[in-house]
Amino acid sequence: GENVEQHPSTLSVQEGDSAVIKCTYSDSASNYFPWYKQELGKGPQLIIDIRSNVGEKKDQRIAVTLNKTAKHFSLHITETQPEDSAVYFCAASYNNAGNMLTFGGGTRLMVKP
Amino acid sequence: DTAVSQTPKYLVTQMGNDKSIKCEQNLGHDTMYWYKQDSKKFLKIMFSYNNKELIINETVPNRFSPKSPDKAHLNLHINSLELGDSAVYFCASSQVQGMSYEQYFGPGTRLTVT
Repeated sequence: GENVEQHPSTLSVQEGDSAVIKCTYSDSASNYFPWYKQELGKGPQLIIDIRSNVGEKKDQRIAVTLNKTAKHFSLHITETQPEDSAVYFCAASYNNAGNMLTFGGGTRLMVKP
Repeated sequence: DTAVSQTPKYLVTQMGNDKSIKCEQNLGHDTMYWYKQDSKKFLKIMFSYNNKELIINETVPNRFSPKSPDKAHLNLHINSLELGDSAVYFCASSQVQGMSYEQYFGPGTRLTVT
């Protein structure tokens, strides 16, 4: 089955700096890679996703890159703000009837004002 | 106007008891899921139901039994609760038919077994 590894487990940055979180996956059949943000006491919320036919996707201050050959993908947050502080999860899945997501271990991002 | 709702939000119970967690989605999605998040924040799929049929059962003890009375509801019943069942349980839904992959998560139910 799929295995997703995520690094770093914690990340502390100054407000305004950039943050990068990296994930690797094991199953070359995976074709969908979402990133979720989980705030304290809440459920994960999708912030951006990428499919295997695309190498990069951007949405305002966040971007995701995918390297299918190396089987890794990354989340980039620019101009970080205190409200970006949360736990971020990467995930991978392939299109099947169940759409099963395998999550990475999570990264706790702390943005210091 | 909650998209995915769960009840209760907190559940404290003793070992050996049986408990249920309810989940409802008003998004019209055809697939619903249960995830378990342990104390280290690790999220793992437990079950997936597509149009009321079980699609995924990820090596979950048979003390856990999901029930889907209709496409909008997926309840989780747990028998003979154990200390190791303490976790946050998340329900989620998505529209698989039509190739929309996004999963919407509920707020979670924190289960504490004493």
